[in-house]
Amino acid sequence: AQKVTQAQTEISVVEKEDVTLDCVYETRHTTYYLFWYKQPPSGELVFLIRRNSFDEQNEISGRYSWNFQKSTSSFNFTITASQVVDSAVYFCALRNSNSGYALNFGKGTSLLVTP
Amino acid sequence: EAGVAQSPRYKIIEKRQSVAFWCNPISGHATLYWYQQILGQGPKLLIQFQNNGVVDDSQLPKDRFSAERLKGVDSTLKIQPAKLEDSAVYLCATSSQTNTGELFFGEGSRLTVL
Repeated sequence: AQKVTQAQTEISVVEKEDVTLDCVYETRHTTYYLFWYKQPPSGELVFLIRRNSFDEQNEISGRYSWNFQKSTSSFNFTITASQVVDSAVYFCALRNSNSGYALNFGKGTSLLVTP
Repeated sequence: EAGVAQSPRYKIIEKRQSVAFWCNPISGHATLYWYQQILGQGPKLLIQFQNNGVVDDSQLPKDRFSAERLKGVDSTLKIQPAKLEDSAVYLCATSSQTNTGELFFGEGSRLTVL
């Protein structure tokens, strides 16, 4: 079975603070892919990043960074110097190499950034 | 490039009535998914199509839900008869036949069953 756990249901920060969203996954497969999606109030899920299980190199994209650690089955997402526009629900998702590209999503973390 | 189009955006019905949702994928995307997102939860896969064939419908409540993708392009998802617990956002997503795995989502259709 595969499972994605986002233990943080809601996080509230003040603008310019750094915030880390946690994601822990379970899978029996050795080849898999991890994703983060953002869901703003408009409802459309927006792709942020994909990482495959053979690439543990951390990635930085502007104010966003991702820390993938296979030893702890975690794929955490950090927003540096948060902004009000970052307010959204963030989902971590898992796909196995043989699942036909369908994603299994966590329950999401609602991030509120206040001025 | 046009995104994934869904309609209607909102629908309110009474229990035991029927409803249908429509999805038009990004041009050339062979794979199409319907997800159900209940308030406060992550999206849950209902059905996946590859062109006009079903790849996975193991989580589709087939006694009341049906979906089709005639001609491998547009897709419709139908619920008949609806129950209160079907209140959710129904998301359509598509992906191209590559190994990137990125899904592109529509804005969703929000269903309220009274």
